[in-house]
Formats: sequence, structure tokens, C-alpha cells
Amino acid sequence: GAVVSQHPSRVICKSGTSVKIECRSLDFQATTMFWYRQFPKQSLMLMATSNEGSKATYEQGVEKDKFLINHASLTLSTLTVTSAHPEDSSFYICSAPGEYGYTFGSGTRLTVV
Amino acid sequence: GDSVTQMEGPVTLSEEAFLTINCTYTATGYPSLFWYVQYPGEGLQLLLKATKADDKGSNKGFEATYRKETTSFHLEKGSVQVSDSAVYFCALSFNNNDMRFGAGTRLTVKP
Repeated sequence: GAVVSQHPSRVICKSGTSVKIECRSLDFQATTMFWYRQFPKQSLMLMATSNEGSKATYEQGVEKDKFLINHASLTLSTLTVTSAHPEDSSFYICSAPGEYGYTFGSGTRLTVV
Repeated sequence: GDSVTQMEGPVTLSEEAFLTINCTYTATGYPSLFWYVQYPGEGLQLLLKATKADDKGSNKGFEATYRKETTSFHLEKGSVQVSDSAVYFCALSFNNNDMRFGAGTRLTVKP
């Protein structure tokens, strides 16, 4: 079946630095990638939708300049958390719709210290 | 807008007990409905889905029926195991657009 590989699974970074999270579709082409954020013991909240070759669409309240999304190819979408702060600590998950339905990455736990 | 409301947890059951997690939705039209499971520290895994009214999704002993008349998609399992302990999310989606999730229900099964 379809697989989305998400890396890194865990990352700890210092406040003020940037972190890049990658999601790759391994055996299918992902023209769209959804990026979600999950706070502890809460549900997933859609942050943005990336589309290959065009600008990402951000949900209301999500800072575009802080959460940079790039979807440069049909198999790779990246989320960069710029100038990270402790409040950005969260679990980030990507998801791609495809022939077999939605496929989720395994998630990235970001901790900003 | 489209939304999903699911039963608040946490839910604690003994092994072999019957499980029901309620889920209702609000949507214009007829979305596809899903149940996802999230084990500690992991991403989401699709548990089951239904794409039209009266469809029953089933997997690993779990079942849910798409009820248009009550706009519900309740998750059930006749006999839970310790390994079923996880967080369960109900979700809806239209035509490969973004998915809307419920708040999640944490299930703990005790031996």
C-alpha cells in the first residue's frame, strides 16, 4: 500500500533555530499534502495544504512566515518551522490523499528548548 | 462548517468488555467517514472507513456503520484487548480534501 515517510521522528532544537520536517511519498505521487499539528491530548488541527508546484494554502491563524511549506516535487513536501520557540513544541503529522485513501506520516515530535 | 463530535474520554474498560465510542458529524452533503487509531508516540493508522450511507466499515474486530439519518458513525468492538489501548479519532472528508477530526477518545483497557 501507499506509504508516506516522515522524518525526523523526533527533534529537539534550541529556541530561535529552524527545523525542517520532510514527508516523502514512497510509492505514489502526492500532488497534495496536508500538514497537521497535534497538541498533547488534543486532536489534529489542519495547518496548511501544500500542492505540488504552487503556493501552500494556510488555515486561518497559521503564520505563513513561521511555517514555511514547500512542495517541490510529486514525492516530497517539507515544513520548516522558522525561529522556533517553546510554544511551537508539538507533534506534526503530514497526510497525502491517494488511490488507496489518506496515508499519514508517522509524525514528528518537535521540542524547542 | 463541517465538523465531527466524538465522545469525550478517557474511557477505561476491562479486557473483554464491550466498547462503544460515539461519533456524530455535521456536514453539507455526504462525506466519507473514518476511524483512525493512534498508539503512543506514533502517527495515525486507518482503522476503518465508510463512504456512503448504510455502509459498515470493519477491521480487527472493530465496526462502525454510516447512519445518515442520525449523522453518526459510532465505533464498536465486542471484546476489547489490552492491545487496543490507544487514542481513537473519528474523521470526515469530501473527495480527497482535507480531513476533519474529532477531538479523540483515549481508551485504556486493563487486564
